[in-house]
Amino acid sequence: EAQVTQNPRYLITVTGKKLTVTCSQNMNHEYMSWYRQDPGLGLRQIYYSMNVEVTDKGDVPEGYKVSRKEKRNFPLILESPSPNQTSLYFCASSLFGGGEKLFFGSGTQLSVL
Amino acid sequence: GESVGLHLPTLSVQEGDNSIINCAYSNSASDYFIWYKQESGKGPQFIIDIRSNMDKRQGQRVTVLLNKTVKHLSLQIAATQPGDSAVYFCARGRKTSYDKVIFGPGTSLSVIP
Repeated sequence: EAQVTQNPRYLITVTGKKLTVTCSQNMNHEYMSWYRQDPGLGLRQIYYSMNVEVTDKGDVPEGYKVSRKEKRNFPLILESPSPNQTSLYFCASSLFGGGEKLFFGSGTQLSVL
Repeated sequence: GESVGLHLPTLSVQEGDNSIINCAYSNSASDYFIWYKQESGKGPQFIIDIRSNMDKRQGQRVTVLLNKTVKHLSLQIAATQPGDSAVYFCARGRKTSYDKVIFGPGTSLSVIP
């Protein structure tokens, strides 16, 4: 089944404790992206990747890192999480990017205390 | 700045009626306009898209209308069903490989049985 898999689904952590949210897609998509979703603000892009080893900042990249060492995986790293990073995070992928149909994961609800 | 917004944050319709969800955008340099549906606890799911050189596109029970003169986009859902209850996002994309998709804040559709 074609899908984007994120883990974990829920995560509670404390300020400053490094964490990684994993994302994997099985559709051989070139493009992958991370979004955060906050009430009243819709989906805002954090980082995106056009291919292996090619990443770029979205609208809200501060406090986040990503890597794309393999085509299927695109982990999101919070080196030193802060409470303002409490949010619902979604990973998404599409064949080539640029507005094409995005496939989303089920989301990761992160709480930073 | 560039924005994609929706006219109403919430919409309630009677089961069986038609629903119309509206969206306005500010940037004319877009190749695609896309509608996504997000059910509670899930990631957004692609519904339908329309290229900027089209005025109308129809899918199964959904129709998207694009008015480039007034920069307005709408999603019409025919014979609305309880399963249509969700948050609907409009988004715009460009075919330029490294550009990003911009999402609006979403309209929450509630279907009254």
